[in-house]
Amino acid sequence: NAGVTQTPKFQVLKTGQSMTLQCAQDMNHEYMSWYRQDPGMGLRLIHYSVGAGITDQGEVPNGYNVSRSTTEDFPLRLLSAAPSQTSVYFCASSYRRATEAFFGQGTRLTVV
Amino acid sequence: AQSVTQLGSHVSVSEGALVLLRCNYSSSVPPYLFWYVQYPNQGLQLLLKYTSAATLVKGINGFEAEFKKSETSFHLTKPSAHMSDAAEYFCAVSARYNQGGKLIFGQGTELSVKP
Repeated sequence: NAGVTQTPKFQVLKTGQSMTLQCAQDMNHEYMSWYRQDPGMGLRLIHYSVGAGITDQGEVPNGYNVSRSTTEDFPLRLLSAAPSQTSVYFCASSYRRATEAFFGQGTRLTVV
Repeated sequence: AQSVTQLGSHVSVSEGALVLLRCNYSSSVPPYLFWYVQYPNQGLQLLLKYTSAATLVKGINGFEAEFKKSETSFHLTKPSAHMSDAAEYFCAVSARYNQGGKLIFGQGTELSVKP
């Protein structure tokens, strides 16, 4: 099993560009989530999903959209990138509520 | 509301010395608690978790943590540090009755191990 797969691993965007960070898991996990990691701030929850067709906002949702059309995939969309969105993004999935999350390898995004 | 505080953003120990990474949490409901490790340019890997069974939890790579409700703490320890333990460590909490598997993370502690 591949676990949680994120693509791309690195990306440079210009301010105002849009892009989609991809996340796929092959563990049939119900829950999926997106976090961003910034120095000295740990990981902060952006959006999460408890199942296909159901999403909700986390701590820092502004500037990001998500959808969950299948159990396996949970893409994160940046509609108009800003320098403040320069960060490392992690996708995670878990089988049931409040058990440990499995993380992807991350996407390092730079917005110039 | 839940929160996690990790005391010390950087900890440096000598090889063979005790590792102690501190984590205090705040939660209005019984929590689940986790320690994750992140090696450079990698994702997060679970070290250990507390889910209301034994208060002393043993994890991978010789790490363990003790849940102390009276002190709202979940400190991570390892008796003897190894060079390969150098990494960033994150304490995290989730509410036992919270849907979505949402985790609240501390700010992280970078562990350096000196030869």
